[in-house]
Amino acid sequence: DADVTQTPRNRITKTGKRIMLECSQTKGHDRMYWYRQDPGLGLRLIYYSFDVKDINKGEISDGYSVSRQAQAKFSLSLESAIPNQTALYFCATSNGPSLRGAFFGQGTRLTVV
Amino acid sequence: DQQVKQNSPSLSVQEGRISILNCDYTNSMFDYFLWYKKYPAEGPTFLISISSIKDKNEDGRFTVFLNKSAKHLSLHIVPSQPGDSAVYFCAASELAGSYQLTFGKGTKLSVIP
Repeated sequence: DADVTQTPRNRITKTGKRIMLECSQTKGHDRMYWYRQDPGLGLRLIYYSFDVKDINKGEISDGYSVSRQAQAKFSLSLESAIPNQTALYFCATSNGPSLRGAFFGQGTRLTVV
Repeated sequence: DQQVKQNSPSLSVQEGRISILNCDYTNSMFDYFLWYKKYPAEGPTFLISISSIKDKNEDGRFTVFLNKSAKHLSLHIVPSQPGDSAVYFCAASELAGSYQLTFGKGTKLSVIP
């Protein structure tokens, strides 16, 4: 099993719909992150959480919300999806500053039509 | 304003030759740098890192060089192999504080057999 698991892997949704992307990890890391990647762009941080009671906005949090249900679970919600939220979404985990950086899930490809 | 820049979107190299991927940064607070490798349909995976107290770090065929005065780092792959064909992301962070990774846009490396 993967250390960081994202569900679903692919999703097509309509404009205005609410959608949730889920992430779970087995690494025992405290810190979890949501990034999005757009074609030709690097990864940009949406939200991050240092523990269950700590949620922080990243660079591009507008239009998104998150929930840290447990140390191992971090979900990302789009309250009312819009087409420019079409992107590849990655969940990641880390155990604080580390020489090995963060560990990423395989990604969720979201298309908003 | 992009704080981490990878100005070459793509690079083609013959198998066995050296691949050099470049990255520039503007934020003088960055003191930890990482390279990630990403294959299609997979999440980024950590490749190699360097802290600002060093100017070189080597791991097998991969070497990262850091020039702090020029705010420039490079990844050297010697010898290049077809399996190295992937998108390479440069990322940077401040060790202190929130530990957020700021990514460049990526460079697609193609190693030609």
